[in-house]
Amino acid sequence: EAGVAQSPRYKIIEKRQSVAFWCNPISGHATLYWYQQILGQGPKLLIQFQNNGVVDDSQLPKDRFSAERLKGVDSTLKIQPAKLEDSAVYLCASSLEFSPNSPLHFGNGTRLTVT
Amino acid sequence: AQKITQTQPGMFVQEKEAVTLDCTYDTSDQSYGLFWYKQPSSGEMIFLIYQGSYDEQNATEGRYSLNFQKARKSANLVISASQLGDSAMYFCAMRGYKLSFGAGTTVTVRA
Repeated sequence: EAGVAQSPRYKIIEKRQSVAFWCNPISGHATLYWYQQILGQGPKLLIQFQNNGVVDDSQLPKDRFSAERLKGVDSTLKIQPAKLEDSAVYLCASSLEFSPNSPLHFGNGTRLTVT
Repeated sequence: AQKITQTQPGMFVQEKEAVTLDCTYDTSDQSYGLFWYKQPSSGEMIFLIYQGSYDEQNATEGRYSLNFQKARKSANLVISASQLGDSAMYFCAMRGYKLSFGAGTTVTVRA
């Protein structure tokens, strides 16, 4: 089966600019996640969708970050305006079920550099 | 709230030897899953092994095994017969309704 697809692979922007990331989960996976991974740290959950509804966005900086999952499939994550501390890898993941025993499958990530 | 602790920032292991990566966790959930992921320098996050909180037997997947001690809230990963390709960052993660990660352990396999 095809894995989680993310684009772009790399992005370099200046602070205060806007950027958007795209994710296509594994077919049939109801749950989709966006994680932020700063260099040398473990991934941090930003937002979690179940179909097209938000389950958890408690750690999403809502003054600058937004995410949507239209039609319960693809998702986009946007940052507007970007700050230097947003430099990180943004990982998208999906899982078949919303349950403790369902592993997450990750895409290759988008490496964002804010200068 | 969930908390996952990995106390070993980095480890060196000789090729063909076994290595144990420590992971302790804290949760108030009764039902949860424990996962280990591998992240090579290329950046992708690779699922290795899963252990359910109600599973009585330790999980095994090829050269990976998970030493689950529920009373101690520990879920250590054992990699047997290390290979050069095992050099990577390893993350312990726990899932109740969301998946939370530890800080990771860097493993370097020496020839």
